Amino acid sequence: TQLLEQSPQFLSIQEGENLTVYCNSSSVFSSLQWYRQEPGEGPVLLVTVVTGGEVKKLKRLTFQFGDARKDSSLHITAAQPGDTGLYLCAGGTNQGGKLIFGQGTELSVKP
Amino acid sequence: GAGVSQSPSNKVTEKGKDVELRCDPISGHTALYWYRQSLGQGLEFLIYFQGNSAPDKSGLPSDRFSAERTGGSVSTLTIQRTQQEDSAVYLCASSLDGTSGSYEQYFGPGTRLTVT
Repeated sequence: TQLLEQSPQFLSIQEGENLTVYCNSSSVFSSLQWYRQEPGEGPVLLVTVVTGGEVKKLKRLTFQFGDARKDSSLHITAAQPGDTGLYLCAGGTNQGGKLIFGQGTELSVKP
Repeated sequence: GAGVSQSPSNKVTEKGKDVELRCDPISGHTALYWYRQSLGQGLEFLIYFQGNSAPDKSGLPSDRFSAERTGGSVSTLTIQRTQQEDSAVYLCASSLDGTSGSYEQYFGPGTRLTVT
């Protein structure tokens, strides 16, 4: 069974601080996606990484896929209150479009 | 354009009753997924449909859960004889292609199910 361990589960920081969220597994994934979810809404895709060692930047967000495609990280620089939400990583499997989701990181950025 | 829609947005039912949850995917998307999410938690995969292929039902937690997709479009998730542990938000998603996990999944707002 493929599992994705996401950490930390909760993170409360002040505006302007930096943070990193980790997503780890003992299994290899074909791709890794990061989603952000706000209360009462469905998750929205932030990025997809597919190549081991790949790094993608989206404004203040930096995503990295591990060389072995077993882990990923999301780094946010100078967090803002608008970054508050639930961040989810999801690994692509060899079973078509099926994704395995991590447990999520609840981020709260206080002004 | 229209996104993924789900109905109802909220459903309260008594233990033992059957419920049906509906999902309208984005037009033209060949893949449709159902997930379950407990409060503040990650998503638990339930079932997915890809084109005319047999659905992947590997995530359904018991035989009380079933789903169908009619005409390659609308899907209904049915839970029979509901139990309190079925209380959760049920999310539906669709993607342009379901042959690999690199395609973006577009999610609906979910149906919040409460079993009393």
